[in-house]
Amino acid sequence: DAGVIQSPRHEVTEMGQEVTLRCKPISGHNSLFWYRQTMMRGLELLIYFNNNVPIDDSGMPEDRFSAKMPNASFSTLKIQPSEPRDSAVYFCASSLRLYQPQHFGDGTRLSIL
Amino acid sequence: ELKVEQNPLFLSMQEGKNYTIYCNYSTTSDRLYWYRQDPGKSLESLFVLLSNGAVKQEGRLMASLDTKARLSTLHITAAVHDLSATYFCAVVGGGSQGNLIFGKGTKLSVKP
Repeated sequence: DAGVIQSPRHEVTEMGQEVTLRCKPISGHNSLFWYRQTMMRGLELLIYFNNNVPIDDSGMPEDRFSAKMPNASFSTLKIQPSEPRDSAVYFCASSLRLYQPQHFGDGTRLSIL
Repeated sequence: ELKVEQNPLFLSMQEGKNYTIYCNYSTTSDRLYWYRQDPGKSLESLFVLLSNGAVKQEGRLMASLDTKARLSTLHITAAVHDLSATYFCAVVGGGSQGNLIFGKGTKLSVKP
């Protein structure tokens, strides 16, 4: 059974560039979550979707961040323009329903120079 | 604003010893999760605790929930090196149903 698949695993880019992170949730899961993990702030929820609809984006740090879920099997998190303070590990997670345990992907380690 | 506090944040223990990690949260929640993260890896779900007095056990780990005290514990029995990892508790809250608030994590190191 394939788990949550994220790509790329690592991304190094220069400040000002557009970054797109991708996520494929587990088939049949209705809820999808994007998190950011840093040493300073820990694990923070950025946005989550239920049945492909964004429900709560209050964790998105600013307008440079956007997320979409065009269908049940794909989501993107975009940062434009990127800044060095966006450097972090970004996790995508999915769950069968809201409230059920979330299954995390391996994360994307993002470095903005 | 819901806050989740874990202690200790760092724990070094010897193999064979017992210890408890504590997770306090600031507002009412009827659901608490424990996750494990190995260095450089993803998070793995360990337990979901759904009601007051709930207790779940898996191997050397046992989790419990006291909703009245807003406290969950993760008890480690006879620790082994393989349990070395960071353990997170997380609580549903923050204004919407899927908003999971994580504690800062407890980094456990089990030494021979």
